Parts: sequence; structure tokens; C-alpha cells
Amino acid sequence: EIVLTQSPDTLSLSPGARATLSCRASQSVNSNYLAWHQQKPGQAPRLLIHGASSRATGTPDRFSGSGSGTDFTLTISRLEPEDFGVYYCQENGRTFGQGTKVEI
Amino acid sequence: EVQLLASGGGLVQPGGSLRLSCAASGFAFSSYAMSWVRQAPGKGLEWVSAIRGGARTTFYYADSVKGRFTVSRDTSKNILYLQMTTVRAEDTAEYYCAKSVSWNDEDYLDSWGQGTLVTVSS
Repeated sequence: EIVLTQSPDTLSLSPGARATLSCRASQSVNSNYLAWHQQKPGQAPRLLIHGASSRATGTPDRFSGSGSGTDFTLTISRLEPEDFGVYYCQENGRTFGQGTKVEI
Repeated sequence: EVQLLASGGGLVQPGGSLRLSCAASGFAFSSYAMSWVRQAPGKGLEWVSAIRGGARTTFYYADSVKGRFTVSRDTSKNILYLQMTTVRAEDTAEYYCAKSVSWNDEDYLDSWGQGTLVTVSS
């Protein structure tokens, strides 16, 4: 069973800053099945990135995904106040990382 | 527009049963894999169960619920179900239904419902 480990657990940044979130898999995964979801307080998650680097419909272009094999990254180029929340990577439609909380 | 409306949550005693429903609209329901994902209070997301799309239905369960939960769908009503039995305190969570981008449950989830809260307590 693949385990996804996200780092850091919490990221405290100011608006306009660059955020880099990491997702590391315990073994190599198919990039086609690597996704990132955003969850804001009191809301359901929302798909941000699929296939490791493709933005979902409606995802602003300040969000970008990269990586392959066991190491994946979600980058938010310039944080906006509405970007606070928790970000989860997911593999194979099932396994989730523990999440990274982004505090503005 | 894809819409997923989960319902059926509530307070249930340990050892009891509950059935969750997820009404789907805006897409060809029978053709897509569907999943249940839960989130315990203050915790992260945990995949619970999935059902593949297409003619040959296949079911998958997390080890934590295997043998206790059953996923099914009624394609005539476009409703996804999660039958929960022998519930435990650790099953307390917000339960989300989610749609896969394809028939394959291993593909990414592209739409989420709003969640329904299940509380297991005496």
C-alpha cells in the first residue's frame, strides 16, 4: 500500500508570497493518477490539479503542479487571501496525504 | 453541471446501522466510478469505498470498513448508497460522495458533494 507524506504540515505566509507544498510517495506512482485537492473551512474538497500538473477547470494559473515518480509539488506563485485552507494530494483515486494547512 | 447531494447522516448508536445516499445529476451516472470519502472531526480525508462505472460493477473498500459497509448504486434513480452496519465510534465523520473522471475508480476525483455528518454515540 502506497503512503503519501505531505510537508510541511502547516505553512504560514503572507499574501503575495510563493507557497511550495510537497507530496512524497512511499513508492513510485503513476503521475496520471496524482491529484491535488483544496479544502476550505466548512466546505467540501475541490479538485485543483490532476495528472500531477494539469489544472482543473476553474483553477487559477497561479497554481501549478509538478513532479514524477515519488516526489510531487504544488506551487502557488502569489498567495491570495482566498487560498487559505488545507491541500491534499491523492493517488490512485484513493490514498490521500495527511494534508498541508496554508495559513495566510 | 455535475451535482452531488449527500444525505442520510445523523446520530446512531454503536453497533447500529445507517444508510447514506448521494443523489447525482448532470452526468451519465452509470458510466462513472463513484467514491465515498470521510473526514473525522479535525482530521484529514480518508477514502472509504468505491464502485466502478460501466456494465461490470466492481466494489472496493478500505480495510477499516470492509465487512461492515456496502456500496451500491441505483442507476434508475441516479443514487449512490453507502450502507453502514456495526458502526463504531471511529466511524464518526463527515461523509462525502465524489465522482471519478472516468469509469475507473483509480482515476482522480473531479467532483465532490457537500457531505453528510454521521455521529456514532450512545
